[in-house]
Parts: sequence; structure tokens; C-alpha cells
Amino acid sequence: AQSVSQHNHHVILSEAASLELGCNYSYGGTVNLFWYVQYPGQHLQLLLKYFSGDPLVKGIKGFEAEFIKSKFSFNLRKPSVQWSDTAEYFCAVNLGYSSASKIIFGSGTRLSIRP
Amino acid sequence: DAGVTQSPTHLIKTRGQQVTLRCSPKSGHDTVSWYQQALGQGPQFIFQYYEEEERQRGNFPDRFSGHQFPNYSSELNVNALLLGDSALYLCASKGRGGQDYGYTFGSGTRLTVV
Repeated sequence: AQSVSQHNHHVILSEAASLELGCNYSYGGTVNLFWYVQYPGQHLQLLLKYFSGDPLVKGIKGFEAEFIKSKFSFNLRKPSVQWSDTAEYFCAVNLGYSSASKIIFGSGTRLSIRP
Repeated sequence: DAGVTQSPTHLIKTRGQQVTLRCSPKSGHDTVSWYQQALGQGPQFIFQYYEEEERQRGNFPDRFSGHQFPNYSSELNVNALLLGDSALYLCASKGRGGQDYGYTFGSGTRLTVV
């Protein structure tokens, strides 16, 4: 069965530190990849998505992610985090054969930023 | 504003009862999916509705059922509630086709079973 693994359950950083959150998926076919963010008390918001083309994807709020097909990975990065980045981050995948495919989420990484 | 509206926002039910949660998709969207997000976990796919039919289903028992109406809104019904059904229930919608695989999520309904 397809699955998504997020390596870190809780990451604590100081402001201005660099961020990298790991994500690996298990599926050998075509996939679409997503990172969602859930700020405290708010709904899930799409940070960025990868369908095809350039494996380095730019998202909102200075986030980016790199798709490495050979490693089945889609790690999220940000060069310099801010206190406002404190949130839960979810990596997700859906299978590329259908735009109506269900989205499979990882268990999430809680990011805490020290001011 | 998430664009996807869910009601109610919070709900407390007793074990064995039945509950109905509602979702209005974002304007222009016709596909609705439901997810269960337990505390500290990622959302788990329950099922998806398109053209008023259940198209895909996750690993949830038959106690979980749904419906989609002609105006694309949707309901999630859970019968014989268990304590373990306590969770945030998310509705997500998307438009038909194209390359936009990104769903829009609602803020969820927090269900507590006591």
C-alpha cells in the first residue's frame, strides 16, 4: 500500500535558522506531491505542489521542496525561518493516474520556532 | 476564508449515537473528500464523492457513510459512535480535471465522543 513517511515528529529551531523537513513516499508509479501547513487553529493550507517538470518547486512564504525520484523523497526547505512559521507540516501524495485520486498524508511534523 | 464550509465546528456526542457532519465545497468545485484527523496524526482518507456517488473509499468501517447532493454539498454520517471516533473531520473539495490536483480544505468539525 502507498504510504508517506515524515522523519521528524517535532522540530525546534531558532529564528533565522535553516529548515529541512524530510518526506519519503512508497509508490513506484507517477505521483503528485504536496506539502500542506496547518497553523494553530486554522485549516490545512497548500504550501506547494509538484506535478511534473522542474523537480525544485517554489511555494508560498519562501518555502521550496525538491523532488528526488531515485530517493522517493520530497523534502521541504526554507533558508531562514520566522516565528510565524510555527505550525504542523504535512507531506502528502496522490497517484498521478487520476486527478481524482485520494491524497495520502504523512503523520506530520510539528515545527516550533523560538523567538 | 477557506472557501470550503463545514458545520458544525464542534460537536459532543455520546457513545452509540449517530452524527451527521456537513460540507459545502468551494465555489466551482464538484468533488468532495472526507478525512479523519486524530490528535497528533495526519488526515486519513475516509471517502470521496463525485457526481453524487462514492468513488473511492479508505479503510473505514461501514458505520461511516456519506452523501453528495446535486449542489455538490456533502454529508458524512457516522453510526454507533465509538470513543475512538473522536477526531477532527475535514472536508476537502476540488474542481474537475485539469492539472490542479490541489484540494482545498475546510476548517473541520471537531467531534468528541464521550
